[in-house]
Amino acid sequence: EVEVLESGGGLVQPGGSLRLSCAASGFSFSTYAMTWVRQAPGKGLEWVSAISGSGGSTYQAESVRGRFTISRDSSKNTLFLQMNRLRAEDTAVYYCARAVGTKGKYYFDYWGQGALVTVSS
Amino acid sequence: EIVLTQSPGTLSLSPGERATLSCRASQSVTSSYLAWYQQKPGQAPRLLIYGASSRATGIPDRFSGSGSGTDFTLTISRLEPEDFAVYYCQQYGSSQLTFGGGTKVEIK
Repeated sequence: EVEVLESGGGLVQPGGSLRLSCAASGFSFSTYAMTWVRQAPGKGLEWVSAISGSGGSTYQAESVRGRFTISRDSSKNTLFLQMNRLRAEDTAVYYCARAVGTKGKYYFDYWGQGALVTVSS
Repeated sequence: EIVLTQSPGTLSLSPGERATLSCRASQSVTSSYLAWYQQKPGQAPRLLIYGASSRATGIPDRFSGSGSGTDFTLTISRLEPEDFAVYYCQQYGSSQLTFGGGTKVEIK
């Protein structure tokens, strides 16, 4: 059974940093792209970043480019999102999901339950 | 960036009725790379449709997707109680992936 489980959420001050992790199981991790999608309280879904199965290609939304970095460790079946220079508008539930497709053109077939990130002083 | 506009914002229907949800793109979506997701309160989204019309694993056949170019539709043929939720479309025709704003299907 495919499972993805996020961790690392919490409260952080504006300008601070946080790293999210996503542990994957039930599939061949290195053969699938992975992604992060976020949802601000009461709002819709916003794609954040994606990474190819090999880790050699990454893709980011303009809203996080230069501040967030996606990476993966295939030896640990784990996806990461390093978030720097956080802003209040980054407050959201962050979902990890398995991505299907190629060259950044992905849809998402399995989702985790999400990790809440709150940016506030 | 391709902007997706979903309509209506809210759809009020009774169980057993047919639901028709629209997703319009600001420019043509390459190869009909359009997906639909369902989200219930407090839950993660669930993939329903990919490639505009292919049902994901385990999705009942009352859910169907259609369309191409800039106009796409999700149809639920007969609403079941568990279908009342928010539905999002997502385009993956470019590497700047985008979601629509969502349509809430509520019980009338």
